[in-house]
Amino acid sequence: EIVLTQSPATLSLSPGERATLSCRASQSVPSNYLAWYQQKPGQAPRLLIYVASIRATAIPDRFSGSGSGTDFTLTISRLEPEDFAVYYCQQYGDSPWTFGLGTKVEIK
Amino acid sequence: QVHLQESGPGLVKPSETLSLTCSVSGDSVTSHHWSWFRQSPVKGLEWIGYVHYTENTDYNPSLGSRVTISLDTSNNQFSLSLTSVTAADTAVYYCETRGHWSQGTLVTVSA
Repeated sequence: EIVLTQSPATLSLSPGERATLSCRASQSVPSNYLAWYQQKPGQAPRLLIYVASIRATAIPDRFSGSGSGTDFTLTISRLEPEDFAVYYCQQYGDSPWTFGLGTKVEIK
Repeated sequence: QVHLQESGPGLVKPSETLSLTCSVSGDSVTSHHWSWFRQSPVKGLEWIGYVHYTENTDYNPSLGSRVTISLDTSNNQFSLSLTSVTAADTAVYYCETRGHWSQGTLVTVSA
């Protein structure tokens, strides 16, 4: 199965700063079927990005995804207070679908 | 707007079968994939499997032959069955389609 490694585990930033989150796959993700999710405590994951770079419906344009093959990045251009959460990458190009362990973006 | 809502017992005894149903509104189970996920502090987010509208299925091999996901087109629902549960199956269970997730339901396995 494809193992996804997210880094860093925790990112401490201030509102207004830029956040760069990494997701590295153990093998190439077919068709770049890589998604990014945001999760807040007590809530379900919220889809942000799919196929590596396509923003989901109603997702603000400060969120952007890039990358291909085995290296993917989620960028939040300017952090808003509501963006402090845990972010997961997920690949759905190969079975079994797998998730990374997450990056927590916390207020510095 | 697609809305998914799980239903089923919140407590299941070890060795018994966990059964959950996901009711769908705003879409039809006669199209797309319909998935189940779970999340626990130990294992994180885990894909359980999906059923396609053609009734083809794909399951996480980590669950072996314990899992079945099926469609109920007459009620616009889909279901999860997980047999021979242990404490390791305690988790929040979610149903999902095309990025739309249910709110999640905690299922605890305990005598």
